[in-house]
Amino acid sequence: RKEVEQDPGPFNVPEGATVAFNCTYSNSASQSFFWYRQDCRKEPKLLMSVYSSGNEDGRFTAQLNRASQYISLLIRDSKLSDSATYLCVVNGGMDTGRRALTFGSGTRLQVQP
Amino acid sequence: DTAVSQTPKYLVTQMGNDKSIKCEQNLGHDTMYWYKQDSKKFLKIMFSYNNKELIINETVPNRFSPKSPDKAHLNLHINSLELGDSAVYFCASSQGTRGGRTDTQYFGPGTRLTVL
Repeated sequence: RKEVEQDPGPFNVPEGATVAFNCTYSNSASQSFFWYRQDCRKEPKLLMSVYSSGNEDGRFTAQLNRASQYISLLIRDSKLSDSATYLCVVNGGMDTGRRALTFGSGTRLQVQP
Repeated sequence: DTAVSQTPKYLVTQMGNDKSIKCEQNLGHDTMYWYKQDSKKFLKIMFSYNNKELIINETVPNRFSPKSPDKAHLNLHINSLELGDSAVYFCASSQGTRGGRTDTQYFGPGTRLTVL
């Protein structure tokens, strides 16, 4: 099983649509969770951290379910500029050698006019 | 005012050559990383340094050798380049880790390495 699994997509949605991405992770000791965004031929950039209680940042809502080891990202009122690859990211927990982040392969979103 | 910078941005070289990629961060972070993103777009950790000390060394051929002269710099030297080394290499930095949590990582623009 991959450490972080995401549906690669692509998700093709019209402007204004609501779209949701899911992600599962295998390491139950993981304690840090993030969604990063990567535009074509660019570096990954933090979109938002994910907290146990769920959190919202404008049109973006992230949820964490530790019991199911599942993370989600909801984008409301999609904009053309939201077109990118969304990376689900977790850390490895307490073990010293695994404090680095593990990235999913990303979910591609294409918002169409 | 770039927070994490890498040079060069593009690197095209022949098999068997030795090359270096440089990374600098001006964020005052304690921890720096090297990641490799292959053609399938997977980002994988290669190395991490905390205050010039190697703390993560994933299964990477020993042709790859990181060097951290100070906590603001982490360079990557690659010996005897092979075709399979072609990828985008990203440097990143973070304040560090606290307990089991990992702070947000900030990435450089990447170095696109092509080995011919």
